[in-house]
Amino acid sequence: GEDVEQSLFLSVREGDSSVINCTYTDSSSTYLYWYKQEPGAGLQLLTYIFSNMDMKQDQRLTVLLNKKDKHLSLRIADTQTGDSAIYFCAETPDNYGQNFVFGPGTRLSVLP
Amino acid sequence: DVKVTQSSRYLVKRTGEKVFLECVQDMDHENMFWYRQDPGLGLRLIYFSYDVKMKEKGDIPEGYSVSREKKERFSLILESASTNQTSMYLCASLRPSGSREQYFGPGTRLTVT
Repeated sequence: GEDVEQSLFLSVREGDSSVINCTYTDSSSTYLYWYKQEPGAGLQLLTYIFSNMDMKQDQRLTVLLNKKDKHLSLRIADTQTGDSAIYFCAETPDNYGQNFVFGPGTRLSVLP
Repeated sequence: DVKVTQSSRYLVKRTGEKVFLECVQDMDHENMFWYRQDPGLGLRLIYFSYDVKMKEKGDIPEGYSVSREKKERFSLILESASTNQTSMYLCASLRPSGSREQYFGPGTRLTVT
């Protein structure tokens, strides 16, 4: 079945850039997502990218998609302590189904 | 503002008890989901519902059932709780168009002793 993989931990210094990586196996992925989970809360959508795009930028966030390598990354510029959270990569293969596959999440720690 | 609420943030139950987890959304979404979240495993789908009284099994339905009597409410039932069901349970509803993002509730942390 489909699989999404991420490294589990990342530490960066405040003000540096963070890059969180994700690989997926489903070549028919239509949408790919980055969700953020702050302590004690549910997941909240950060950004998403459609599979016919290579890059999407939204303020401090840059998403890069390499379809050939099935690799998705999230870059957070000027990382702040408020960015400390768990970041989940997720994908869905089609427009109409209910099949969403989530990665294990990357815990980002921002050091002062 | 979009809202998904869950009936409890923390719950402690004994082995063998019947447990009800309730989820309510105010967005008139047709699709709703129940996931469990365990460290290092991400979110695993237990059940989803695509309409009132309609349900489909997810990846890990064993030991769980669901009920969707009204569009806004999706309940997860543990018929006889076991210690391996200690977990964080997350409910979500699905925006049907555009980004097709899921809106999540705050989660219920269930401990079964």
